[in-house]
Amino acid sequence: DIVMTQSPDSLAVSLGEGATINCKSSQSLLYSPGDKNYLAWYQQKPGQPPKLLIYWASTRASGVPDRFSGSGSGTDFTLTISSLQAEDVAVYYCQQYHHTPPWTFGQGTRVEIK
Amino acid sequence: QVQLEESGGGVVQPGGSLRLSCVVSGFTLRNYGMHWVRRAPGKGLEWVAFIRYDGWSRDYADSVKGRFTISRDDSNNMIFLELHSLRPEDTAMYYCARDFNDFGAKGYFFDSWGQGTQVIVSS
Repeated sequence: DIVMTQSPDSLAVSLGEGATINCKSSQSLLYSPGDKNYLAWYQQKPGQPPKLLIYWASTRASGVPDRFSGSGSGTDFTLTISSLQAEDVAVYYCQQYHHTPPWTFGQGTRVEIK
Repeated sequence: QVQLEESGGGVVQPGGSLRLSCVVSGFTLRNYGMHWVRRAPGKGLEWVAFIRYDGWSRDYADSVKGRFTISRDDSNNMIFLELHSLRPEDTAMYYCARDFNDFGAKGYFFDSWGQGTQVIVSS
């Protein structure tokens, strides 16, 4: 099974500052036909279901603010929040969909306001 | 708009059974693969089961294989998860989620989620 490892486990960021979350997979998520990375990011706020933020490693889902961006390829990926807003307090997860089943998630990164 | 609503959770003793349901609206269910994903207290997200759009393929996490069964009733816009031989470690919020890949032979990522239904396994 593919193991997804996120870092850090938690981070505290001042409002308006940037936040960076890293995600590393145990195998490459790059699929050569089409050169796509099979990696998604989700946001889960307290008491709410997860929400899709990013797919194909860097494509924003519909309605997601452009302060959220995804990058990376192969085994190393990053979710960046360019200017943290109060409503961004949440747990963020990466998920791979290349080597399935099973579909696997990172352990999550908790983002808080400093 | 796309909506998913789970039901059927509750408190059950170890070894017991439950049937979770997910009713969907706003899209043609028969065109999409569907998943169940759970989140245990204090833990992260864990994928549980997937059923392909045509029902010909079903996959399960090793932790639930042989105990849980996913099924679908497209005529009534519903997805089900039958849980048997429940263990305390099955305690979690269970989410129904739509796969992005319509008519897909394999599942991709989860583009719509329900609010979840809580399962508590305790004596």
